[in-house]
Amino acid sequence: NAGVTQTPKFQVLKTGQSMTLQCAQDMNHNSMYWYRQDPGMGLRLIYYSASEGTTDKGEVPNGYNVSRLNKREFSLRLESAAPSQTSVYFCASSEIGWVTQYFGPGTRLLVL
Amino acid sequence: RKEVEQDPGPFNVPEGATVAFNCTYSNSASQSFFWYRQDCRKEPKLLMSVYSSGNEDGRFTAQLNRASQYISLLIRDSKLSDSATYLCVVFNTGNQFYFGTGTSLTVIP
Repeated sequence: NAGVTQTPKFQVLKTGQSMTLQCAQDMNHNSMYWYRQDPGMGLRLIYYSASEGTTDKGEVPNGYNVSRLNKREFSLRLESAAPSQTSVYFCASSEIGWVTQYFGPGTRLLVL
Repeated sequence: RKEVEQDPGPFNVPEGATVAFNCTYSNSASQSFFWYRQDCRKEPKLLMSVYSSGNEDGRFTAQLNRASQYISLLIRDSKLSDSATYLCVVFNTGNQFYFGTGTSLTVIP
């Protein structure tokens, strides 16, 4: 099992460009999450999907959209990237909401 | 007020030392508690869940004090491989996990 996979690993964007971060899990988990991690801020929840067909905003959703494509896949879209979105993005999944989360390896995004 | 607060450290300890990390959380209705470990430029990985009665996993002991809204992690007989950042994580009503900013540990030979 690959666990949680994320693509791309690294990305450089110019301000105003758009991109989609992909996440997939092969553990048949119901819940999936997108976080960003910035120095001194810890991980902050952007959006989550408690189950297939549902999505909800987290702590810092502005500037992002998500799609739960199916049970396996949960994508994060930046419609118009800004330098403030420079960060490391982690996708995670869990069987149900309150149990252990498993994280993907992260996407390092630089917005110039 | 932050949902979860941790002392960022850094903690620099010699091999074999015992070290303790503390964490406080603000929401008294929090349901689940965890310690995660994060190595440099890697993803967080579960170290252990924290139960009300306290729990131990080898050299690691976690404690939860609901009355004081306080979580702790004790590492005994520190190894070089314990060097990492330790994240305190709380799951609240509203289906969200909240992460502390992490406590950095370096174990020195």
